Amino acid sequence: NAGVTQTPKFRILKIGQSMTLQCTQDMNHNYMYWYRQDPGMGLKLIYYSVGAGITDKGEVPNGYNVSRSTTEDFPLRLELAAPSQTSVYFCASSGPGLAIIQYFGAGTRLSVL
Amino acid sequence: DAKTTQPNSMESNEEEPVHLPCNHSTISGTDYIHWYRQLPSQGPEYVIHGLTSNVNNRMASLAIAEDRKSSTLILHRATLRDAAVYYCIPNTGTASKLTFGTGTRLQVTL
Repeated sequence: NAGVTQTPKFRILKIGQSMTLQCTQDMNHNYMYWYRQDPGMGLKLIYYSVGAGITDKGEVPNGYNVSRSTTEDFPLRLELAAPSQTSVYFCASSGPGLAIIQYFGAGTRLSVL
Repeated sequence: DAKTTQPNSMESNEEEPVHLPCNHSTISGTDYIHWYRQLPSQGPEYVIHGLTSNVNNRMASLAIAEDRKSSTLILHRATLRDAAVYYCIPNTGTASKLTFGTGTRLQVTL
């Protein structure tokens, strides 16, 4: 089972460049999430989506954009990359229910220099 | 959001049981208690969850205090592969409410 797939695994950006982090899931989950994890810290929610066409901000949305045109895909766009966006990015998905269990991808390690 | 308190780190010998505590004194009556773990250089993975009763699965057991203000994740026989950061997360069940703290880093030695 593929589960949640993130690409690329690693990326180095220059300040001011843009990029899109890809995330796709094959579990037909309605809910999808983007988190970032800085060294030695827990995960912080950037954006989430409860279904195709619906997105909402999490705890740290500034500097990022998302879209959700299909159930399977939830790309994260970085515009004008800054050193503060150096982090590991995780995408997750979950089905509906009272006890939501999230399934995570392997992460994208991004450095902005 | 319910605030959680976990020890920063714990150590265990291989093949011995490990009890990982979590304090969540502000938990609401409808919050489930989730535990996730994050192995080195990997994304978090779900371990177990419960509401009021103790729970068991193939990975671990979850003991929930009667007043629900604390819980304990129990690994019955720790292995080197269980070395990870363990997160205790009260979850209201809504999409935006899964909040990761800094967790407990478990070290397992031979």
